[in-house]
Amino acid sequence: ETGVTQSPTHLIKTRGQQVTLRCSSQSGHNTVSWYQQALGQGPQFIFQYYREEENGRGNFPPRFSGLQFPNYSSELNVNALELDDSALYLCASSVNRAAGANVLTFGAGSRLTVL
Amino acid sequence: AQRVTQPEKLLSVFKGAPVELKCNYSYSGSPELFWYVQYSRQRLQLLLRHISRESIKGFTADLNKGETSFHLKKPFAQEEDSAMYYCALITSGSRLTFGEGTQLTVNP
Repeated sequence: ETGVTQSPTHLIKTRGQQVTLRCSSQSGHNTVSWYQQALGQGPQFIFQYYREEENGRGNFPPRFSGLQFPNYSSELNVNALELDDSALYLCASSVNRAAGANVLTFGAGSRLTVL
Repeated sequence: AQRVTQPEKLLSVFKGAPVELKCNYSYSGSPELFWYVQYSRQRLQLLLRHISRESIKGFTADLNKGETSFHLKKPFAQEEDSAMYYCALITSGSRLTFGEGTQLTVNP
């Protein structure tokens, strides 16, 4: 059983650029969530994907967008990067259950630095 | 709106001493709460969830709806417990609201 893998692990961009982060979910998981973790803060929910559609969104602007593919992997895209976008971006996968809370398995994260 | 508060950013105890990491929440629905832990250079991982009522690595946490708290406790801290601990509240489906975390240091 493979866990959640994210790429790249680190990257540096400049303001105004665009970035794509990738995530492969854990085997058997069909739901992917993305979180942003700024330095010294807890992770903040960006959005979640299930069945290739956005299934819930946190308080993030539209320049944060995502995709989920038929194999349940996912991408997070951020356009028009701002300095405050510098953070660790965490991907988490889970199995969507009709009842009860879903346990999330996290990846190691992609650390984005915006200069 | 849902919120999770961890009042202590840093907590330092000696090995063998009891430890309690505080967590308070606000949520209008029926809460489901978790503790996640991040050891140095490792990924965030689930420690325990309140509905399981289990003890993991000697840690327990009891949901107190009257006080809206979900404090994490361990009677005898070990050096390997040193880590960042996050309390989290689940709302719809798998959406987690995290606290800001408590860095626990267990000194020898």
